Amino acid sequence: DTAVSQTPKYLVTQMGNDKSIKCEQNLGHDTMYWYKQDSKKFLKIMFSYNNKELIINETVPNRFSPKSPDKAHLNLHINSLELGDSAVYFCASSQERVNEQFFGPGTRLTVL
Amino acid sequence: EDQVTQSPEALRLQEGESSSLNCSYTVSGLRGLFWYRQDPGKGPEFLFTLYSAGEEKEKERLKATLTKKESFLHITAPKPEDSATYLCAVRTGANSKLTFGKGITLSVRP
Repeated sequence: DTAVSQTPKYLVTQMGNDKSIKCEQNLGHDTMYWYKQDSKKFLKIMFSYNNKELIINETVPNRFSPKSPDKAHLNLHINSLELGDSAVYFCASSQERVNEQFFGPGTRLTVL
Repeated sequence: EDQVTQSPEALRLQEGESSSLNCSYTVSGLRGLFWYRQDPGKGPEFLFTLYSAGEEKEKERLKATLTKKESFLHITAPKPEDSATYLCAVRTGANSKLTFGKGITLSVRP
């Protein structure tokens, strides 16, 4: 059983396009996250939702907009993609804000 | 600002050669230190959480320890399947934000 799943696994697109990444967790957790891992493998938090409420919003361009339709889903929409957006994006979830986070398999985004 | 430094950046071991990975942190009020393992092309996999100085946790060949300034991940008699990148992260605030180090890439040769 997949605990945290993301689609798509790979995303290749042109500069200026708009794209979305979807995340779903079946662990019954109430908190979900988006992380960005750059080419140097550095993992950085972008957003976090607790019970559909935005609780962490790091310094991320306005082109990035998370949406949580329910506790089990957290999507990431990116407008006007730029070359620098190329990275691996990970979704994660935890039960309550303070417990260990479980990560999805990642979405590798390549902007040409 | 919270800082997490992991060293060395890369470590190559012979199978069976025990060693330790270091995670140093500078934070205001630690509320948890986390170790993760990441295999190439996959998401980080949770290993341990440590909350207070002196705490230790073990899982198979791995043992994590915590002091007021750093954490160590000790690997006893490693096997090639232990090859991966090991990430350390700290939580300091009341929210769930984790600050990660850059990771240590471990390679174990048979």
